[in-house]
Amino acid sequence: GESVGLHLPTLSVQEGDNSIINCAYSNSASDYFIWYKQESGKGPQFIIDIRSNMDKRQGQRVTVLLNKTVKHLSLQIAATQPGDSAVYFCAENYAGNMLTFGGGTRLMVKP
Amino acid sequence: ETGVTQSPTHLIKTRGQQVTLRCSSQSGHNTVSWYQQALGQGPQFIFQYYREEENGRGNFPPRFSGLQFPNYSSELNVNALELDDSALYLCASSPDPRETQYFGPGTRLLVL
Repeated sequence: GESVGLHLPTLSVQEGDNSIINCAYSNSASDYFIWYKQESGKGPQFIIDIRSNMDKRQGQRVTVLLNKTVKHLSLQIAATQPGDSAVYFCAENYAGNMLTFGGGTRLMVKP
Repeated sequence: ETGVTQSPTHLIKTRGQQVTLRCSSQSGHNTVSWYQQALGQGPQFIFQYYREEENGRGNFPPRFSGLQFPNYSSELNVNALELDDSALYLCASSPDPRETQYFGPGTRLLVL
């Protein structure tokens, strides 16, 4: 079936810089997208979400952008901190129940 | 903290055995979803329960089954365990199927 495609890279950034994590999704019928952060040994932690009727949504230090034309989602983290180091997953909600996750991006923050 | 708890935290079983994993959702959350996460991969949807009825199932065989109880607790049962069932099993609760899902810490299952 269709799935969120996130080729697993490792993003290394300097503390204080901005980070951008990208995600491509393939299911055009998905109407809800979520970013999760997963630290080692823990469950995914909700960061921010966006519905398909929006292009941009901002939270505390994070911004999610949705481009439905090219089926692209991004997570921007401002002033990245060592505590931001984790694996980040985007997920899409299709048919109102299941979340389809990509493979994740590892963010490493250098002090 | 999400208010979602899971037990046990770790479990070791042998091939062919059966296992029951438990989840306690946030109070008021009528929906619970279960996911399997293999090492180095994203979570894979197993199934979802809404108001004690199955509300969608992923590509998992029937030996994966579940229950949801009125007190916001739920179970994932796996029969005839296989080596490939070794993974982190996550439950997530939400107020309803279309709302944000909040994950518990997971149960790490190792099948030998």
